[in-house]
Amino acid sequence: NAGVTQTPKFRVLKTGQSMTLLCAQDMNHEYMYWYRQDPGMGLRLIHYSVGEGTTAKGEVPDGYNVSRLKKQNFLLGLESAAPSQTSVYFCASSYDPKGLYGYTFGSGTRLTVV
Amino acid sequence: GNSVTQMEGPVTLSEEAFLTINCTYTATGYPSLFWYVQYPGEGLQLLLKATKADDKGSNKGFEATYRKETTSFHLEKGSVQVSDSAVYFCALSVSNDYKLSFGAGTTVTVRA
Repeated sequence: NAGVTQTPKFRVLKTGQSMTLLCAQDMNHEYMYWYRQDPGMGLRLIHYSVGEGTTAKGEVPDGYNVSRLKKQNFLLGLESAAPSQTSVYFCASSYDPKGLYGYTFGSGTRLTVV
Repeated sequence: GNSVTQMEGPVTLSEEAFLTINCTYTATGYPSLFWYVQYPGEGLQLLLKATKADDKGSNKGFEATYRKETTSFHLEKGSVQVSDSAVYFCALSVSNDYKLSFGAGTTVTVRA
């Protein structure tokens, strides 16, 4: 099925470890986003991309890096994980910058940092 | 800046009850407004949208009207079902801003 695929679905990290979350979309969308979801805080934008080779900071970018080397993939990296990064991470993509046709979300990655 | 404020949950209802979830916004531009729904264990899905004042978005029995004078976009459904149990997010986007801004979400539980 067409859509957004996130890997892995679950991960437990020790403080200081690094990891990369992969997001892949097959809808030829230009715009891609990484959000984190925390109880009572809704979704907060970490980083986003307006096209292949571009990235930009969102509301909460500290401690994360991203890359968009191919149009269909958007990677989120944690260089040195901290307990404050325990969260559910969602990737999304859209056809247009205002999301008028809707964002397509992946099913999420639940990350626990101990 | 741009922000969305939703009524706090959780909300618990009986089947066939009327549901209202309040949403108000502040925006520096002329926003488009959205409601997204998240079912347990899944990502968010677009439920409905409105792109200009007085527009009414509707889908699956849910409705919301874009009220510019009160900066609101309240979600309503006349008769909820158990399958409507989910988290509902109000969101907005504005011109020249490449992202959606989400509210905190409202958890709705419908009991049979």
